[in-house]
Amino acid sequence: AQSVTQLGSHVSVSEGALVLLRCNYSSSVPPYLFWYVQYPNQGLQLLLKYTTGATLVKGINGFEAEFKKSETSFHLTKPSAHMSDAAEYFCAVSERDFGNEKLTFGTGTRLTIIP
Amino acid sequence: DSGVTQTPKHLITATGQRVTLRCSPRSGDLSVYWYQQSLDQGLQFLIQYYNGEERAKGNILERFSAQQFPDLHSELNLSSLELGDSALYFCASSPFRRVYNEQYFGPGTRLTVT
Repeated sequence: AQSVTQLGSHVSVSEGALVLLRCNYSSSVPPYLFWYVQYPNQGLQLLLKYTTGATLVKGINGFEAEFKKSETSFHLTKPSAHMSDAAEYFCAVSERDFGNEKLTFGTGTRLTIIP
Repeated sequence: DSGVTQTPKHLITATGQRVTLRCSPRSGDLSVYWYQQSLDQGLQFLIQYYNGEERAKGNILERFSAQQFPDLHSELNLSSLELGDSALYFCASSPFRRVYNEQYFGPGTRLTVT
């Protein structure tokens, strides 16, 4: 069975500082990997995904993540935090199973930006 | 806007009652997934339908059921409601191509059981 661990349920960074949100997964074979963002009282928005190819993935709003198979990690980074980045971030995995790509989510990391 | 719609946006009901949540997928998407987001359990997969047929089941209680209709909209039925069923319920839709199928999430239905 797959699982996702997000280290740190709350992360605070200063505006303009580096954002680093950690995600490790457990899977028998490399899965598809995702980061979603959830703003207050809103649904889930896909930030970026890794399915195949280049292991450094760029997403929306200046975020990127790197798939490291040896470390079973998919950490999310952004060089310079903006106030609008305050939200909850979820790492997720799905199996490489055509037509059955249900998502397994981590517990989420709430990102606070300090002015 | 993902193109996935969910109704109602909010629902307040009492314990023991039954409710129906509705999801309309993006045009052309054949798969619908249901997820529950609660403080206790986090975000978890409940059930998936593809073109009217159940395809995968997750941590869905026996009191819960779902179906997908010929027009591809889906309904999640929750019965004998308990306080612990209070949660945000999301549906997501995806196409069915022989490559990776991205899921597009609706805005969710917030269920409050009192």
